Amino acid sequence: IAGITQAPTSQILAAGRRMTLRCTQDMRHNAMYWYRQDLGLGLRLIHYSNTAGTTGKGEVPDGYSVSRANTDDFPLTLASAVPSQTSVYFCASSDYLWNNEQFFGPGTRLTVL
Amino acid sequence: KQEVTQIPAALSVPEGENLVLNCSFTDSAIYNLQWFRQDPGKGLTSLLLIQSSQREQTSGRLNASLDKSSGRSTLYIAASQPGDSATYLCAVRQERNRDDKIIFGKGTRLHILP
Repeated sequence: IAGITQAPTSQILAAGRRMTLRCTQDMRHNAMYWYRQDLGLGLRLIHYSNTAGTTGKGEVPDGYSVSRANTDDFPLTLASAVPSQTSVYFCASSDYLWNNEQFFGPGTRLTVL
Repeated sequence: KQEVTQIPAALSVPEGENLVLNCSFTDSAIYNLQWFRQDPGKGLTSLLLIQSSQREQTSGRLNASLDKSSGRSTLYIAASQPGDSATYLCAVRQERNRDDKIIFGKGTRLHILP
């Protein structure tokens, strides 16, 4: 692994289903982030994590949850997906929270029907 | 609340020209500003990071400037090439202990004409 990986690459999901988007980084970065990118709205922060064991809410956290059990992994869970959660989701990491350059994963394209 | 604006939303220029992309922000109390490139269907790639105490940063044909007091940053691309075609985004980080965390502009979609 080099950098940040996300899985799946894309997913079509029925409304009401539970879905977990996976994110793994191998740079030993302390901070990790989840964004969604929508046409006309740009990138918006969903949740972030300062270090393993701590998380925080971003601009659009409703309907999403995260956990940070270890340094490398930062999964994003949609407990009951809704069509408005159709988006491209990007995971990112940085050495320290907000201070340094953010490195982005390749994204997960999610469609909720 | 911090707002980040990038104008124009799209830009087409002939190959070989020098060009400037603009980014403006409403709250000058920023910690740093970062420029990214995004290719279609891909994630963001960091280009340049400018700390609030800096005036500019350079990397190859790219030069980013920051005027914190006026709330503006520019990304200068010299001798443009078709491979520069992409969407360019700027993002500002608020100073510590403020509510806003990191705010992205919506990007400028750049097309270099061969």
